[in-house]
Formats: sequence, structure tokens, C-alpha cells
Amino acid sequence: EDKVVQSPLSLVVHEGDTVTLNCSYEVTNFRSLLWYKQEKKAPTFLFMLTSSGIEKKSGRLSSILDKKELFSILNITATQTGDSAIYLCAENSGGSNYKLTFGKGTLLTVNP
Amino acid sequence: NAGVTQTPKFQVLKTGQSMTLQCAQDMNHNSMYWYRQDPGMGLRLIYYSASEGTTDKGEVPNGYNVSRLNKREFSLRLESAAPSQTSVYFCASRELSGSGELFFGEGSRLTVL
Repeated sequence: EDKVVQSPLSLVVHEGDTVTLNCSYEVTNFRSLLWYKQEKKAPTFLFMLTSSGIEKKSGRLSSILDKKELFSILNITATQTGDSAIYLCAENSGGSNYKLTFGKGTLLTVNP
Repeated sequence: NAGVTQTPKFQVLKTGQSMTLQCAQDMNHNSMYWYRQDPGMGLRLIYYSASEGTTDKGEVPNGYNVSRLNKREFSLRLESAAPSQTSVYFCASRELSGSGELFFGEGSRLTVL
């Protein structure tokens, strides 16, 4: 059973659209949830969330965590073609503090 | 800023051959990780090292071995490569805090024929 489930697995939108990406996770010893963006090479860090209800924001991207319902969302407003990427979320929890468990990712394609 | 450096970036092997992927970080991080990424599978943890001198198995350790040579370096070895190990491999590191972000290397694309 997957510990971190992302949805949708892929999404195609037009420039200017707003998208919401979802990430649900298990609760055991939760410490934080992280979002990454991956283009052609290595994942790059976007946000780390530890507290429920506090929105993290960076330009057109924002993210929020719901620790009661065990999910997080990543919003991208006014999408651009440069937002096309795989978006990964990862849960930092479990018996060891040292592992991050990733979801399968959401492939976002933004068409002009 | 070198960050996390992996070598080689590309490698083609024949079934049964062995090879070692090298990883080094210059951020004085305690924890280091090896992930593999396959299409549609996200990142799956192979092995990790919480601190110098310790290593532990992740989700998919079979067919791999690791060595934490010192605080900077963490290598991944394939003793007898199989086609199922064709993948992109990422090394990553972070602080020991347990809640910090991972910093990734650029990845190593391995093809096993």
C-alpha cells in the first residue's frame, strides 16, 4: 500500500489556467511534507510544510497542509509553459526520522 | 557551489557486469541517500545513511550495496547488473535534523543490456 498518493497522475492545461495538485499521506510519526518540482534533471525544492492551515507561498505557487485529513495541495495560478514538470510530494515520517517517502508524482503539461 | 556531485552521468552495462556510482557532497550534511526513478514510479529509496558509519535499507535494496566512505561520500554498487536495474539514480543529502529538505545530485542514467 502506497504511503504517499498523488493525484492526478497527469494533467494537461492551457497557459493562464489555475491547477491544484493533491497529495495524501499516512499519519505515522508525521514530521513534515515536502513538495519538489522536477524538470529534466534533479528535483528542486519548493516547500516544506509542518503545520496545518498555514499557507506557504512563492510567487504563483502556494501550498497548504491539512493534518487532520492527511493531505496537502499545491496550487499554481496563471500557469506558464515553464511550469511544465513533474511535481513530487514527499512525506517525512515513520519509525526513522531520516527517510523521505515520495509519491509517484504529477506530470503537469502547460500548453501555450 | 558544487552541492551534490554524482559520477558517472551516463553508463551502459551488460547483464552481469558490476559498477559503482559515486556521490559526494560538500555541504557538511550528515544524512545521504540513494534513490532510483523509473517512469511513473516517482522516487524510490534504495539505501540511506543517517550518519557517517551507518547504512540502512530503503524500499528497494535488492541487488545493491552501499558504502559510506566518510562524511562526504556515499557510493552505490551493483555487483551483477540486471536489466531491471535500468533506471535513473539520484544521490541526495540533508542535515540530520530529520525535517529538512533533500538536496539532489544531477542524476546518473544507467542502462543494462
